[in-house]
Amino acid sequence: KNQVEQSPQSLIILEGKNCTLQCNYTVSPFSNLRWYKQDTGRGPVSLTIMTFSENTKSNGRYTATLDADTKQSSLHITASQLSDSASYICVVSSGTYKYIFGTGTRLKVLA
Amino acid sequence: DTEVTQTPKHLVMGMTNKKSLKCEQHMGHRAMYWYKQKAKKPPELMFVYSYEKLSINESVPSRFSPECPNSSLLNLHLHALQPEDSALYLCASSSRDRDSYEQYFGPGTRLTVT
Repeated sequence: KNQVEQSPQSLIILEGKNCTLQCNYTVSPFSNLRWYKQDTGRGPVSLTIMTFSENTKSNGRYTATLDADTKQSSLHITASQLSDSASYICVVSSGTYKYIFGTGTRLKVLA
Repeated sequence: DTEVTQTPKHLVMGMTNKKSLKCEQHMGHRAMYWYKQKAKKPPELMFVYSYEKLSINESVPSRFSPECPNSSLLNLHLHALQPEDSALYLCASSSRDRDSYEQYFGPGTRLTVT
């Protein structure tokens, strides 16, 4: 069964600190992996997208990694800001129109 | 323009009402999607349109009726909904040509059924 699991479920950190979110997947076939940021009550916004051959991709303070052998991805947030408080969703694409969503990590950044 | 717009932002309707949600994109994307998202849950796929034709219907109840009048517009017609249908309804679009292209999501419509 295609599955995307994320950890931790929720996370609280202080402003300025770094954090890493995890995504493990069992999806076949694999097309690409995306990380989204979703503010409460808003639509998800894409942070990064990686294909099978890409190991790392950065978008400002966000850096995603992908290990296709172990089927793991991580999203590292550097120097967190209050505006980083949101849910972060890992989505694995398994062919045309097939997007398997993780349950998300809810991040809260405190001043 | 990498924007997907959705109207209305909020909608409150009774169980006997008929209403419609609207989604629009002008990125030339030929695939458009409707998702339903409950609080603290990931989005659940409802429908996919490809080149204005319904490609996927994830066994959605008939009280939800999608429509794609043209390549830029996607509607979701609602009739005789139940309180459990209250949720955030998200529209998304993507290029049909390569799956590696990302999905762009709209801001969503917050629907409350009373």
